[in-house]
Formats: sequence, C-alpha cells, structure tokens
Amino acid sequence: AQKITQTQPGMFVQEKEAVTLDCTYDTSDQSYGLFWYKQPSSGEMIFLIYQGSYDEQNATEGRYSLNFQKARKSANLVISASQLGDSAMYFCAMREGTHLNFGNEKLTFGTGTRLTIIP
Amino acid sequence: DAGVIQSPRHEVTEMGQEVTLRCKPISGHNSLFWYRQTMMRGLELLIYFNNNVPIDDSGMPEDRFSAKMPNASFSTLKIQPSEPRDSAVYFCASSFVAGDKFYEQYFGPGTRLTVT
Repeated sequence: AQKITQTQPGMFVQEKEAVTLDCTYDTSDQSYGLFWYKQPSSGEMIFLIYQGSYDEQNATEGRYSLNFQKARKSANLVISASQLGDSAMYFCAMREGTHLNFGNEKLTFGTGTRLTIIP
Repeated sequence: DAGVIQSPRHEVTEMGQEVTLRCKPISGHNSLFWYRQTMMRGLELLIYFNNNVPIDDSGMPEDRFSAKMPNASFSTLKIQPSEPRDSAVYFCASSFVAGDKFYEQYFGPGTRLTVT
C-alpha cells in the first residue's frame, strides 16, 4: 500500500484564489511527521511546512497552512492568495516512528501535484 | 549560510563508465541523505547517514551503487558501471537530528545524470 497518496496529479487555479492540495497517509506508528515540499521548474526542493502527529494545532507558515485531520489520516496543504510564483510541483512526505526509534529519519514522498496558477 | 552543495550539476556519460556524485552538507548537520528522482519512480531514498555512519541503504538499487561519507562535510555516491536506466536527478539532502524532534531536510540543487 502507498504510504503517501496525492490524488491530484495536476491543478489549475486562478491567481489570488486559495488552493488546497490533498495528501493522505498510511502508518501504524503513533509518532510521525508530515512535510510539504515545493519543486519549481528549476528543480530544487524547497521545504514549506511541517506537522507533527502530536501537534494539537495545525501548522502555519505565512501563506501556507496544513489542514491536519489525524483520524482521517490527511494532511492537506492550503495556500492562501495564490501567486504566479506558486506554480510548481508539490510533494507531501512522511517520516515515521522517530519518537521511539531514534535514527529513522527517512522521508517517504508522494507522487506530487503539479499546480499551475493562471493569471 | 551556504546550503547543500552538489557537484557536478549535470553529468553525461556513456554506459559502462564510472560516475561519482559529490555532496557537501550544511555545516552542523549530522544526517545526510541521497535521493533519486525519475518520472517513473518519483522521489526515492537511496541511502542515509547519521554521524557519517550508513543507517539505511535499503533503497540502493544494486551493487553497482555505493555511497561513502568519510567525514561530516563530504559524501559521494558512485555508480560503477553506469547504465542508461540510471539516468535521473540525484539529490543530496541534510538535516540536524537530535532526540525525537523532527527537523526538515534541506535539499541540494541536484545532479542531472544522463547515461547514453
């Protein structure tokens, strides 16, 4: 089974609108972390936001927020007031079990969503 | 501060040749990761080191791939002999790990490898 599922291969959004990128995950660990990365056409991977499984509040970083629904195992990225520069691939990733198993820092990535902002 | 540095940025080589990719992690980080990105398989972890020690190499495709981290500021990923199916973008990433706190991984710009 896929550990990280991103069901939207591509999205087109009008500039200045909010956009939600979906991510669901599968893990049996109680302690885990969820990350979102942005990959523009230039190719680099840029860290956006992190949510810990024990965090009670949804993470926010500027225009980025994470809609974390633990019972549903979803960690959707919300971008408010989208800009042309937000056009990129977006990857959701998970890190499992570090709380009890120090040394397990590996990230498992989803297949990504290509977001295109329309002027 | 300088980010993760990778070299070369682009590499074109012929099948059968040896390829060496290099990475300098962010100073002070104690974990280093090698990823490979292809259209077919997406982004997959090949190997990672913690305090220069390989922790998980289960993603290394086969014996043709090897990785070393002789010190805290340098790592190599070697492919010998290279094959066309090794063509991909190879990313190096680093992070600081302490206790059970999660830290993001910072990625280098990647090396685009083409094997003809």
